[in-house]
Amino acid sequence: DGGITQSPKYLFRKEGQNVTLSCEQNLNHDAMYWYRQDPGQGLRLIYYSQIVNDFQKGDIAEGYSVSREKKESFPLTVTSAQKNPTAFYLCASSTTSGGVATDTQYFGPGTRLTVL
Amino acid sequence: SQQGEEDPQALSIQEGENATMNCSYKTSINNLQWYRQNSGRGLVHLILIRSNEREKHSGRLRVTLDTSKKSSSLLITASRAADTASYFCATFRQGGKLIFGQGTELSVKP
Repeated sequence: DGGITQSPKYLFRKEGQNVTLSCEQNLNHDAMYWYRQDPGQGLRLIYYSQIVNDFQKGDIAEGYSVSREKKESFPLTVTSAQKNPTAFYLCASSTTSGGVATDTQYFGPGTRLTVL
Repeated sequence: SQQGEEDPQALSIQEGENATMNCSYKTSINNLQWYRQNSGRGLVHLILIRSNEREKHSGRLRVTLDTSKKSSSLLITASRAADTASYFCATFRQGGKLIFGQGTELSVKP
């Protein structure tokens, strides 16, 4: 089956800890994205990457970090600098054309992070 | 920053009725997309309409786009209980970024 997987589904973190959320895709997509969703809200872009070894900040990158060492993987680290990390985190991917992401994004099932 | 504003925020209808959701946006776009999200799950792409198109159909879905008013609507005909979900519009802008609205929560009662 082709698709995007995220793990874990639920994650609990103590204040002051860094945690890493996994995102893997086997769709052969060049572009990958991380979004944050708060209750009753739309999605806000944290980071995105349109090619391996390159990524850009989205609208709310502070307190987060990413890496893109492999095409298939785009892990997100929520650092202790993120003051309000409790949220639902969604990873997505898309194809590119001429190095720019195109059209439809395909989403993983999400990771719900709770800070205790 | 949020690009889209959706209206209504919540909609409750009976099975068999039509559901209409609206989306307004602020700046020029390449295309506009609608996504569906079941509670606690990822988003699923429903339909895309390009800036030079006015109307598009897919099964029970009908999308319209009015670029002069910077607005779009999603119509779901003959709704079913399984259509219960949140629906988001997203505008695709140059540079490959999708900007999402805050969503409409649709409840279809059997």
